[in-house]
Amino acid sequence: TQLLEQSPQFLSIQEGENLTVYCNSSSVFSSLQWYRQEPGEGPVLLVTVVTGGEVKKLKRLTFQFGDARKDSSLHITAAQPGDTGLYLCAGVRYGGSQGNLIFGKGTKLSVKP
Amino acid sequence: ETGVTQTPRHLVMGMTNKKSLKCEQHLGHNAMYWYKQSAKKPLELMFVYSLEERVENNSVPSRFSPECPNSSHLFLHLHTLQPEDSALYLCASSQDRGHMNTEAFFGQGTRLTVV
Repeated sequence: TQLLEQSPQFLSIQEGENLTVYCNSSSVFSSLQWYRQEPGEGPVLLVTVVTGGEVKKLKRLTFQFGDARKDSSLHITAAQPGDTGLYLCAGVRYGGSQGNLIFGKGTKLSVKP
Repeated sequence: ETGVTQTPRHLVMGMTNKKSLKCEQHLGHNAMYWYKQSAKKPLELMFVYSLEERVENNSVPSRFSPECPNSSHLFLHLHTLQPEDSALYLCASSQDRGHMNTEAFFGQGTRLTVV
């Protein structure tokens, strides 16, 4: 059973389009992080959300943590080819091993010029 | 540059070989991790070291043997691997383990192919 479900698994869009990727779970998380991984590289942290209902913006990226702290979304406005990569969500679960991140499988985004 | 360096970047080894992966961080972090990233699977946590002590071993086969000689270096010793062990092996570090805002800094990974 996958603890963190990410959708869609693959997304191919044209430059300038908007998109949303989702990270869902039946478990409650004390915090949730989003990473981006480019081919041949390790994941790089984009944001951490901690409070239920929290919304954080990073330029054209908007991150939201669900009120119940079980899900999160990432919205990208006016996508650019530089946004191409694997987007991973990772959570720290209540009652789980402290500090250990649980990762989803990721959403592979391709933005075509 | 994330501050976490892994070598080698690519490794091809036979099933009877013995090799080691190396990870180095100069961020002053106290916790280091090994992850395995396979196609179609999420990142899998293998080992956690905190202040050079192994604090977690997630049911990893004994053919993978970690070593943490000091807080800046982490090794993964490999022997008699199987083809299904082929994957991207990622090292990460964080300031401390056990903080709910743990931010992991990842290395670029070692792409391992077992033939």
